[in-house]
Amino acid sequence: QVQVQESGPGLVKPSQTLSLTCTVSGDSISRGSYYWSWIRQPAGKGLEWIGRIYTSGSTNYNPSLKSRLTISVDTSKNQFSLKLSSVTAADTAVYYCARGATPHRPGEAGKWYFDLWGRGTLVTVSS
Amino acid sequence: DIQMTQSPSSLSASVGDRVTVPCRASQTISSYLNWYQQKPGKAPKLLIYAASSLQSGVPSRFSGSGSGTDFTLTISSLQPEDFATYYCQQSYSIPWTFGQGTKVEIK
Repeated sequence: QVQVQESGPGLVKPSQTLSLTCTVSGDSISRGSYYWSWIRQPAGKGLEWIGRIYTSGSTNYNPSLKSRLTISVDTSKNQFSLKLSSVTAADTAVYYCARGATPHRPGEAGKWYFDLWGRGTLVTVSS
Repeated sequence: DIQMTQSPSSLSASVGDRVTVPCRASQTISSYLNWYQQKPGKAPKLLIYAASSLQSGVPSRFSGSGSGTDFTLTISSLQPEDFATYYCQQSYSIPWTFGQGTKVEIK
């Protein structure tokens, strides 16, 4: 079955760039009409949507992070990636990658939901 | 941004109880509302999408209702494995946003 898995450094120094990759396995990342998203969760807190990318390269970012954020896709590797610059302790969180899907029923297109999640990876920002 | 409010932040219930988890949007979102279940140390799991559609493989004791600004997740008969935190999420407009979660605890 299709799976997604995050990878990247677990420790990043303040002011540096956080880089994570999500690898899609079990199917082509380009198959179907999916958006691929990053979501994070600080310890003991709620979920924050970071941004999304379509396999065409089209992106949407959370305005709260937009100035520091880049999400890219490499279809040849079946991966998409996150880069968050100038990190601070406030960026410490579990980072999830997830697949965004939409119903195929008439009138329901655009009602996006996250149907597939990675296990998450903890990124700590500390010197 | 659309604010999603989940109150209470926690509730206590017993096995077999009917449990309702409310969620309110700061503006109308039609039925662009999803529900997730999260257990400690695990990724969220999709339960309900488009306000009332049950995700494949999710037990039928879970149901969703509502439209506009007020939504409800209902668990018809709480099971031991249902003790978890539940999040609502809107996909009406970017940035997509989540509620702060409601933790369902054992009474």
